[in-house]
This record gives sequence, structure tokens and C-alpha cells, in this order.
Amino acid sequence: DQQVKQNSPSLSVQEGRISILNCDYTNSMFDYFLWYKKYPAEGPTFLISISSIKDKNEDGRFTVFLNKSAKHLSLHIVPSQPGDSAVYFCAASDHSGAGSYQLTFGKGTKLSVIP
Amino acid sequence: NAGVTQTPKFRILKIGQSMTLQCAQDMNHNYMYWYRQDPGMGLKLIYYSVGAGITDKGEVPNGYNVSRSTTEDFPLRLELAAPSQTSVYFCASSSQGSLSNQPQHFGDGTRLSIL
Repeated sequence: DQQVKQNSPSLSVQEGRISILNCDYTNSMFDYFLWYKKYPAEGPTFLISISSIKDKNEDGRFTVFLNKSAKHLSLHIVPSQPGDSAVYFCAASDHSGAGSYQLTFGKGTKLSVIP
Repeated sequence: NAGVTQTPKFRILKIGQSMTLQCAQDMNHNYMYWYRQDPGMGLKLIYYSVGAGITDKGEVPNGYNVSRSTTEDFPLRLELAAPSQTSVYFCASSSQGSLSNQPQHFGDGTRLSIL
């Protein structure tokens, strides 16, 4: 059973517009969420994170929103650039005892930013 | 600063062969992880280590072994390769576990095919 779900395998956006990537989770014990970006033939690179005590975290063009009641988070990229074209993974962890070192990943969303 | 280095980048094995995937980090991180990523799927944790001499199983440990004799190195051993182990393997490290909200840094992966 997938605990972290990214229901959109792909997304295409025009350069300069907003990209919105979505992620849903089922485990109510998750209290820390991360987004990773991955280019082909490279490892994932950390992009931005958010703790469950917050509902928004911003870093430059990237903003992550967390809606705990809906168990939903989203990554907004504004404005989108061609270099943002990559696969984006949502990941989550819970800090309660066993498994606190584990990240649970979604399947990823492939973002294509069209010039 | 090399970060996390994985070798080899590619390997083809025959069923029943064994091999060791190497992982080294130069960031003096205590925590290290091994993940596998199957096509169209998210990353799944195989094993992790919280320091030299300490290792523990992740979500999918069967068919693998690890050791952690130094802070820098965290090799992953496949004893009897099976087609189900065809995957891309990623090693990661972090300065503290996910308990402390420190992001994991990933290597570029080893693409392994078992034929």
C-alpha cells in the first residue's frame, strides 16, 4: 500500500508559468516532508522541505504548501524555467520510534517546462 | 567536494553471481543509506547505518547485505544475483538521521542488470 502518492506521472508547463506538483499521503504519523529533484543519470537532489508544524515554506522560486487535514502537500515553482525539467519526488518521514530514519518516497512526477 | 561517490556506474551480472556496490562519502556524515529504484517507482530503502559498526534493515533488505567498518564507506553486497534485483541503486548520506530533519545527499546511482 502506497503511503506517499504522486498521482500525476507527468506535467507540462510553459516557461514563465507556475508549475504545481501534488503529493498525498496516508500515514498520519508523517511529520516531515521533502521534495527531491532528479535529472536523468543523476541521483536525487534535495530541493525543499517542510515540517508538519508549518503550512508553508518558501525558498526562492520554490514554495511547498502542507494541508495536514487533507494529508496533501504541493510544490509550486514560479516562474518555471526549462532547467526545472526533471522528475520530482515527494518524500515523507515520521519521527516516532522505529523507522524514524526512513524516508518513504512517491513514484515521482516528470515535469517538462516548454520554452 | 565529491559528496557521495558510487562505483560502478553500470554493471551486468549473470544469475547467481555476486558483487559489491561501493559507496563512499567525504562529508563526515554518520548516517548512510542504500535505496533501489525500479522503473516507474519511487525509491525503496534497503539498508541504513547510523554510524560505523551499526546497520539495520530497511523496507526491502532480502537478498542484500551491508557492512559499515568506517564512517566513509558503506558497501552493499549481493550474494546470489536474481533478475528481481535488476534496478538502479542509490546510496545516500546525511549528517543526522531524518529525526533531525537533515536532508539526505545522494550519489549518482549504479544501474545493475541481472541476466
